[in-house]
Amino acid sequence: KQEVTQIPAALSVPEGENLVLNCSFTDSAIYNLQWFRQDPGKGLTSLLLIQSSQREQTSGRLNASLDKSSGRSTLYIAASQPGDSATYLCAVNYGQNFVFGPGTRLSVLP
Amino acid sequence: GAVVSQHPSWVICKSGTSVKIECRSLDFQATTMFWYRQFPKQSLMLMATSNEGSKATYEQGVEKDKFLINHASLTLSTLTVTSAHPEDSSFYICSANEEQETQYFGPGTRLLVL
Repeated sequence: KQEVTQIPAALSVPEGENLVLNCSFTDSAIYNLQWFRQDPGKGLTSLLLIQSSQREQTSGRLNASLDKSSGRSTLYIAASQPGDSATYLCAVNYGQNFVFGPGTRLSVLP
Repeated sequence: GAVVSQHPSWVICKSGTSVKIECRSLDFQATTMFWYRQFPKQSLMLMATSNEGSKATYEQGVEKDKFLINHASLTLSTLTVTSAHPEDSSFYICSANEEQETQYFGPGTRLLVL
C-alpha cells in the first residue's frame, strides 16, 4: 500500500530558526515528489518539484532533498519568517496517482 | 476520513470536443473545491477555486472560457474543458475543503486529446 507520512504534525518556532520538515513514503517507485504550501481556505501553492532522478532542489530559502532508496524527502526552510506560517504538504506522484501526506502545520512566531 | 471522487478517471477524446470532469465529495459538504492540473514532468498547479453558488476564481494564465467550472451543489463541482486540444492533455485533480484547513484530494483524471 502506498502511504505518505509527515513528521512533525505541527511545529511552532521563533522567527529566524532553520527548520526541517520530513516526508516518508512506503513505495519508492516514484515518478516525482512535490512540496506544497497550503494557507487556510486556499488552494495549494507549489514550492518545489523533485524528479525521481534528482537528489535535491532549491528555491530561495527552501531546499528539498530526496532519498528514494530510504523513502524520504526533507524540506529545509532557512531563516524562517512569520509569513512562512502555513501547512506544508508533500505529495508523491506515482505516475498514475498522487498520494498526499497529512501535512505539517508550521507557526513561525515574531 | 472524508472521500472525494472524480469521474472519469481516464478520458481520451478527439481534438475539438468538450470533456466534462466531475468532482464529488462523498460524505461531507464542500463549500470550496479546487481544481489542479499537472503537465508531464511539471508540478501540480492550481487552476481555479470553485465556491458553491458563485463564480470560480481562476489563477493567472488559466482561461476561464476554456475551462468552465460549475459548483452547483455542496457536493459536486464540474470542470469542462471546451474545444479540447492536444496541449490540454494533462492530469486534472480536484480537492475539497471540509473545514477551513482540511483539504481532501480526488484520485485525478487523466485526459488525452488526440
